[in-house]
Amino acid sequence: AQSVAQPEDQVNVAEGNPLTVKCTYSVSGNPYLFWYVQYPNRGLQFLLKYITGDNLVKGSYGFEAEFNKSQTSFHLKKPSALVSDSALYFCAVSSLGGGGFKTIFGAGTRLFVKA
Amino acid sequence: GAGVSQSPSNKVTEKGKDVELRCDPISGHTALYWYRQSLGQGLEFLIYFQGNSAPDKSGLPSDRFSAERTGGSVSTLTIQRTQQEDSAVYLCASSARSDYFVAHNEQFFGPGTRLTVL
Repeated sequence: AQSVAQPEDQVNVAEGNPLTVKCTYSVSGNPYLFWYVQYPNRGLQFLLKYITGDNLVKGSYGFEAEFNKSQTSFHLKKPSALVSDSALYFCAVSSLGGGGFKTIFGAGTRLFVKA
Repeated sequence: GAGVSQSPSNKVTEKGKDVELRCDPISGHTALYWYRQSLGQGLEFLIYFQGNSAPDKSGLPSDRFSAERTGGSVSTLTIQRTQQEDSAVYLCASSARSDYFVAHNEQFFGPGTRLTVL
């Protein structure tokens, strides 16, 4: 069965420090992986995606994520956190399997960046 | 260009009443999704429309929930005989492709409809 896990409900980091938001997945076919961000009182916005090719993908607002097939992970990273990065982050996986197209979202990780 | 729009932005209703939530996807997007997000929680998939194909209704929590998409564009999510546990933010999203590559495409989300059932 297809699934996504975000093992941390919350991540706290000081401004200027690197941040990592973790995501692991399980799919039966090729995984297509996404990160979305939800700022307070705003809708979800797409950050970045991995479809194929280079394992390191870069996205909006200086975020990047690394696809690791052996560890079935797609962790979101940023070298230097900003207070404005504080938001709710969702990892999602899409796949095409015997049951057709499916997208599953993780439960979300709340990121707090302290000044 | 215009993004995904949803109406109403807020809906307060009494238990047992029916409600209709509307979604206008981005023009030209052939895939449309409905999700439910309870307070501070993740996204729960409800239903997916892909072009003219039969919708994937596998996420609808009960037969009180239904959705339709007219003319391949606007979609309406209907909840009959609302219950307090239906209170949540209902999110609509659309994406660009309805063929094999639909799995590759990011989804564009509307602002959501906050439903409160008293």
